Amino acid sequence: GDSVTQMEGPVTLSEEAFLTINCTYTATGYPSLFWYVQYPGEGLQLLLKATKADDKGSNKGFEATYRKETTSFHLEKGSVQVSDSAVYFCALSAYSGGSNYKLTFGKGTLLTVNP
Amino acid sequence: GAGVSQSPRYKVAKRGQDVALRCDPISGHVSLFWYQQALGQGPEFLTYFQNEAQLDKSGLPSDRFFAERPEGSVSTLKIQRTQQEDSAVYLCASSPKTGLGNTIYFGEGSWLTVV
Repeated sequence: GDSVTQMEGPVTLSEEAFLTINCTYTATGYPSLFWYVQYPGEGLQLLLKATKADDKGSNKGFEATYRKETTSFHLEKGSVQVSDSAVYFCALSAYSGGSNYKLTFGKGTLLTVNP
Repeated sequence: GAGVSQSPRYKVAKRGQDVALRCDPISGHVSLFWYQQALGQGPEFLTYFQNEAQLDKSGLPSDRFFAERPEGSVSTLKIQRTQQEDSAVYLCASSPKTGLGNTIYFGEGSWLTVV
């Protein structure tokens, strides 16, 4: 079945440091790829997405490139802020029958950014 | 409302009690999903509706779990004879249409604790 493996946390960085959170996937079809973020006390929010190979999703200074050859979708940000502290989830969407394109999530990576 | 609304936000149930969790999706959204998120884990798919039709219930962990969306808008997830392993956050999500790459919008979740 489909699966997502992402870097285990927690990750602790100082403000303005470079961030990479690794994500690789296994899918039987041709999935779309997503990063969701969960800020403390809030629900899951879509951060960015990419729907085909070599697409780059970007939002709020975060970027991730859909790499089909390495089945990866690593999240990067050049300079993190304290407000980026959250749990980050990598996910894929693939057809699972009956018009259902359900999301399959990784386990999440807790990021803490210190001032 | 502007987003996916879930109630109750927090529920403590005694083992063996039945619970009902409600989801109000974004108005007009065709697709509705339920996910279960255990502590420290990513969300796991439970079930999917397209309008009022439940097209996929492959993720429901047992026959104690039942979901409905009778009029194609509000949905209820019911758990009968709750067990301690049912303790989790139950997330509802909706999407304006079906299809790969569609953005899925999540509610803040219903936190269920079974004691």
